[in-house]
Amino acid sequence: SQELEQSPQSLIVQEGKNLTINCTSSKTLYGLYWYKQKYGEGLIFLMMLQKGGEEKSHEKITAKLDEKKQQSSLHITASQPSHAGIYLCGADGTGTASKLTFGTGTRLQVTL
Amino acid sequence: DADVTQTPRNRITKTGKRIMLECSQTKGHDRMYWYRQDPGLGLQLIYYSFDVKDINKGEISDGYSVSRQAQAKFSLSLESAIPNQTALYFCATSEQGADNEQFFGPGTRLTVL
Repeated sequence: SQELEQSPQSLIVQEGKNLTINCTSSKTLYGLYWYKQKYGEGLIFLMMLQKGGEEKSHEKITAKLDEKKQQSSLHITASQPSHAGIYLCGADGTGTASKLTFGTGTRLQVTL
Repeated sequence: DADVTQTPRNRITKTGKRIMLECSQTKGHDRMYWYRQDPGLGLQLIYYSFDVKDINKGEISDGYSVSRQAQAKFSLSLESAIPNQTALYFCATSEQGADNEQFFGPGTRLTVL
């Protein structure tokens, strides 16, 4: 079965600083989904990557997919308190998006 | 109104009780999922359904059952709740296709004493 490892597990950054979260898969990635979760709440979809080398941005969040390395990175520029939460990556290991495997999440705190 | 709703939002029950968690969606999606989330373990898939007549076991289906009453409704039951089923439960929906994200409900926090 596919496993996803996220690093770091938790992160504390000062407001205004940049940060990167990584998600590495044990198997081939057919699609990689990034979600954000506020503590104890539902998941909000951020973006999805399918092709090797693909890069997408939404406001100050950029995600990239390195197909060869079976890895994706999520980069936040000039972090704000509103970025705080848990970031989860989810992977489609079948190519049909029939079900996703999720990483254990990265907990982000942004201090003033 | 929320597209994916879950009831109840919070529930405290005792060991051995039967519990049903309900999920409804107004998105018109065929696919529905149930996950549980435990601290440090991410999301684990319990059951999923691709249409009303299709039910599939996920990674951790033991101790759970589901019912897809209609396209818009997918219920999760714990026949005899046990303390290690204490967790945050999420329902999700998606369209068919390889590039469609899953939309999540707000979650149900279940505590089994």
